[in-house]
Amino acid sequence: QVQLQESGPGLVKPSQTLSLTCTVSGGSINSGSYYWSWIRQPAGKGLEWIGRIYISGSIINYNPSLQSRVTLSIDTSKNQFSLNLSSVTAADTAVYFCAREMAAAGNDYWGQGLLVTVSS
Amino acid sequence: QSVLTQPPSASGTPGQRVTISCSGSSSRIGSNYIYWYQRVPGTAPKLLMYRNNHRPSGVPDRFSVSKSGTSASLAISGLRSEDEADYYCAAWDDSLSAVVFGGGTKLTVL
Repeated sequence: QVQLQESGPGLVKPSQTLSLTCTVSGGSINSGSYYWSWIRQPAGKGLEWIGRIYISGSIINYNPSLQSRVTLSIDTSKNQFSLNLSSVTAADTAVYFCAREMAAAGNDYWGQGLLVTVSS
Repeated sequence: QSVLTQPPSASGTPGQRVTISCSGSSSRIGSNYIYWYQRVPGTAPKLLMYRNNHRPSGVPDRFSVSKSGTSASLAISGLRSEDEADYYCAAWDDSLSAVVFGGGTKLTVL
């Protein structure tokens, strides 16, 4: 059974960089035709797609509204993928989820979510 | 403002059939698959339907999807109390080269 787990600081100061890691267990991040995604949900709002990275790192797609501040990376040796979001503001306060996406089949496995608060 | 439009709320009584709509544009729903997710507050979203009308293992056949042009609908028949959750549609947007979500629909089982 594939499991995903987000990790990182729960509190980030404004203007700093939010860095999160998703650790995949129960399967290799490098097997199959999967994208590895980040999605967030601010309190009281809907889901917002941040971006996804293909297993080889050769294909990366970003939400255009966040593209200038987001970097996704993948470390197959650690079975992890990561999100960096720079110049954060209070508007970036949200529960951040990592998820696996099979091409044309949606996000079938999700992490439990990590609340990140941007505050001084 | 979400690029896929969903009603903010829906409701029904146990046993009823309810539908939740999702509308977009030709570059989104019109030319791509639609996905539906269920999120119970405090838990991770769950994939409910993919490739328009396919159900992942474990999702009951009470859930179904219809799609026509640039709109789609999720139907839940035989409504149960455990169906009370937030429902989100999603699709790939060709013009943005990104996944877009609907704003979500809060389903209340009366």
